[in-house]
Amino acid sequence: QVQLQESGPGLVKPSQTLSLTCTVSGGSISSGDYYWSWIRQHPGKGLEWIGYIYYSGSTYYNPSLKSRATISIDTSRNQFSLKLSSVTAADTAVYYCARDREGGGEDYWGQGTLVTVSS
Amino acid sequence: SYELTQPPSVSVSPGQTARITCSGDALPKQYAYWYQQKPGQAPVLVIYKDSERPSGIPERFSGSSSGTTVTLTISGVQAEDEADYYCQSADSSGTYVFGSGTKVTVL
Repeated sequence: QVQLQESGPGLVKPSQTLSLTCTVSGGSISSGDYYWSWIRQHPGKGLEWIGYIYYSGSTYYNPSLKSRATISIDTSRNQFSLKLSSVTAADTAVYYCARDREGGGEDYWGQGTLVTVSS
Repeated sequence: SYELTQPPSVSVSPGQTARITCSGDALPKQYAYWYQQKPGQAPVLVIYKDSERPSGIPERFSGSSSGTTVTLTISGVQAEDEADYYCQSADSSGTYVFGSGTKVTVL
């Protein structure tokens, strides 16, 4: 059974960089069948897709966040990561990592981690 | 920017049928996906490629597509189906977008 787990600081100061890591277990992140996604949800609001990465390192971002978001992958550790720069209070959200099967949707999700941006 | 439009809420009595719509201009050319999210939990994929059901998802969940609208149907609604439901699709450039979500209330 594939499992994903987000980790990283729960509190980030304004103007700093948010950094999260997703550890994948029960399957290889190097499988060419999947993309690896980051999605966030503002408190009490809907879902927002941030972007995804392929095992080769190819990335695709939501244009609304593209200038601030960077997704990277470490196949040796079976992990992928998100960095979001110049954060503001508007970036306070639950951040989810997920597995995306092309044409198959986000079929496995992490439990989510709340990141609060506050001084 | 591209938007997927869902009704904010749908109410249904147990055993009845709930239908949730999602409208978007690119839906005739892009697959839609549906997710169920219960409070405090991560979303769960319930429909992919417009109408395919992942393993483990009850048969009462079904999806359909017609033009610029896709529909999630829950037949024989049960109390455990009370949740928020989100559609997801892509715009013409391949950027994923989620609908605003529909809260399903089981009366």
